[in-house]
Amino acid sequence: DAGVTQSPTHLIKTRGQQVTLRCSPKSGHDTVSWYQQALGQGPQFIFQYYEEEERQRGNFPDRFSGHQFPNYSSELNVNALLLGDSALYLCASSPDPGQGTNEQFFGPGTRLTVL
Amino acid sequence: AQSVTQLGSHVSVSEGALVLLRCNYSSSVPPYLFWYVQYPNQGLQLLLKYTTGATLVKGINGFEAEFKKSETSFHLTKPSAHMSDAAEYFCAVIGNFNKFYFGSGTKLNVKP
Repeated sequence: DAGVTQSPTHLIKTRGQQVTLRCSPKSGHDTVSWYQQALGQGPQFIFQYYEEEERQRGNFPDRFSGHQFPNYSSELNVNALLLGDSALYLCASSPDPGQGTNEQFFGPGTRLTVL
Repeated sequence: AQSVTQLGSHVSVSEGALVLLRCNYSSSVPPYLFWYVQYPNQGLQLLLKYTTGATLVKGINGFEAEFKKSETSFHLTKPSAHMSDAAEYFCAVIGNFNKFYFGSGTKLNVKP
């Protein structure tokens, strides 16, 4: 089992550009959550996808959007990048809470630098 | 609403000494609590979790934590620190639909 995988590992963009980050969940998991971890801070919840729909959203602007595919993999898109979007973006997968398991498994993250 | 406060952004201990990392939570429902560890340039790895039942929870690498409802605390301890324990530790509480609320983290430094 490969666990949660994310791509790319690192990314450098300039202000105003758009970026797409990708995540493949752990085998058997159908729920994907995205977090932003700025330098020196704890991860902040961006949103969660289940059954190809956004189920929960944190306090992030509409520039942050996502998608989940039928194979449960997910993308995070950020438009009109700002310097403040520089962070480690973490993807986490879990079985649907309805199955009684609440642990989330995290990927290694994508380090985004906005210049 | 759920939130987590970690006291002490940096903790330094000597190798072999007791490790104590503090976490206090706020939750409007019975909490599910977690401790994760993050090594440099890596994702988060689960150390241990409390859901229901026994309030003293044992995790990996010799870590344990005790859920104290009266103190709204979930402090992480390890009797004897090892150099390999140097990392950043995050406490988290779970909200609806597995939405995690993380603390700001505590960096543990282990001195030889």
